Amino acid sequence: AQKITQTQPGMFVQEKEAVTLDCTYDTSDPSYGLFWYKQPSSGEMIFLIYQGSYDQQNATEGRYSLNFQKARKSANLVISASQLGDSAMYFCAMRAYGGATNKLIFGTGTLLAVQP
Amino acid sequence: EPEVTQTPSHQVTQMGQEVILRCVPISNHLYFYWYRQILGQKVEFLVSFYNNEISEKSEIFDDQFSVERPDGSNFTLKIRSTKLEDSAMYFCATTSQGALLKETQYFGPGTRLLVL
Repeated sequence: AQKITQTQPGMFVQEKEAVTLDCTYDTSDPSYGLFWYKQPSSGEMIFLIYQGSYDQQNATEGRYSLNFQKARKSANLVISASQLGDSAMYFCAMRAYGGATNKLIFGTGTLLAVQP
Repeated sequence: EPEVTQTPSHQVTQMGQEVILRCVPISNHLYFYWYRQILGQKVEFLVSFYNNEISEKSEIFDDQFSVERPDGSNFTLKIRSTKLEDSAMYFCATTSQGALLKETQYFGPGTRLLVL
């Protein structure tokens, strides 16, 4: 069975600092994708970044980067130069290749608060 | 930028009533999903839909739930007889190529359902 674990229920970071949000995963599938979504207080789910299990390099999208350590089964999100607008819930999710199994499996999320 | 839309944004209903939640996918997308998020909890997969058929459903998706694409644009989730525990945010998500691992699922803004 696939599982995503986010062990940090909440995090504080000072504006302009970098922050790392942890995510570990468990799957027996050799092919899988890892996603991070942001959920602001308004409730919508915003896609941030993707990392494939066979990708040779860590994914980056602007201020977001993914620290992918396959042997440790971790896919931590790094947000550089935090902004007040980064305050939100962050979810790590996984998608494993298994025929009809296209669903995303989510972790419990980390609530990030950026302080001025 | 194309986006997934959902209506209504909020719905309050009496226990035992039927509700229909509507989603308009991004126009060239072919794979549709419903997820739900009980307040304060993680996002959970309900059902995936492709080519006018359910391709996968979770154990949450029991006989009280149904999905359809009645007119080629809307994608609906019906709850036949709502229970208190159905109170949650319901997200529609869509993707153009369901089989590709890296294919991002784009989420709608959600419908917040409250069952009294």
